[in-house]
Amino acid sequence: AQTVTQSQPEMSVQEAETVTLSCTYDTSESNYYLFWYKQPPSRQMILVIRQEAYKQQNATENRFSVNFQKAAKSFSLKISDSQLGDTAMYFCAFMKGTGANSKLTFGKGITLSVRP
Amino acid sequence: EAQVTQNPRYLITVTGKKLTVTCSQNMNHEYMSWYRQDPGLGLRQIYYSMNVEVTDKGDVPEGYKVSRKEKRNFPLILESPSPNQTSLYFCASSSTGGTARAFFGQGTRLTVV
Repeated sequence: AQTVTQSQPEMSVQEAETVTLSCTYDTSESNYYLFWYKQPPSRQMILVIRQEAYKQQNATENRFSVNFQKAAKSFSLKISDSQLGDTAMYFCAFMKGTGANSKLTFGKGITLSVRP
Repeated sequence: EAQVTQNPRYLITVTGKKLTVTCSQNMNHEYMSWYRQDPGLGLRQIYYSMNVEVTDKGDVPEGYKVSRKEKRNFPLILESPSPNQTSLYFCASSSTGGTARAFFGQGTRLTVV
């Protein structure tokens, strides 16, 4: 079974600064995907960024980038130039690349607060 | 617009009164799934469906039922709700074509008293 660990329950960052959210995972799979989801107070689940395990290059989406360390099973999210709208809960998630169930296994989440 | 629609958004009910949370997607996705979100636990899968008439248990299926009579709809049924089913529920859908992109509904906040 896969597990996803987010060890920091809360973080705070000053507006315009950079923050890194940590995530580790455990799996015996070789083919999988990793995700970061954002959940603002509206409760909507918003996909922030996606990484295929077979790709060595780290994914980037505007101000969001990841540091994917496959051997260490680490998948951290870096948010550059933090904005007030980045205040939300962030979930790291894992999905197997094969098999019948495209289940997402989530971490417990981290609450990020961006201070003005 | 591609979307997953859940109803209702909020629901307060009493113990033992059967309820159904509906989920519909307009993307012709084969795969649909239900999750519950609880503080400190993240989201956990309740049930999933690979296609019409094909459903299976996820990690926390006790107390829930589902059906998949049509490709677009995947309702979650609580036949005898209990207070420990008070939670935030999400429906999600995705294509099985290897895109690994899940679309989530808006969530349903359920309170069982």
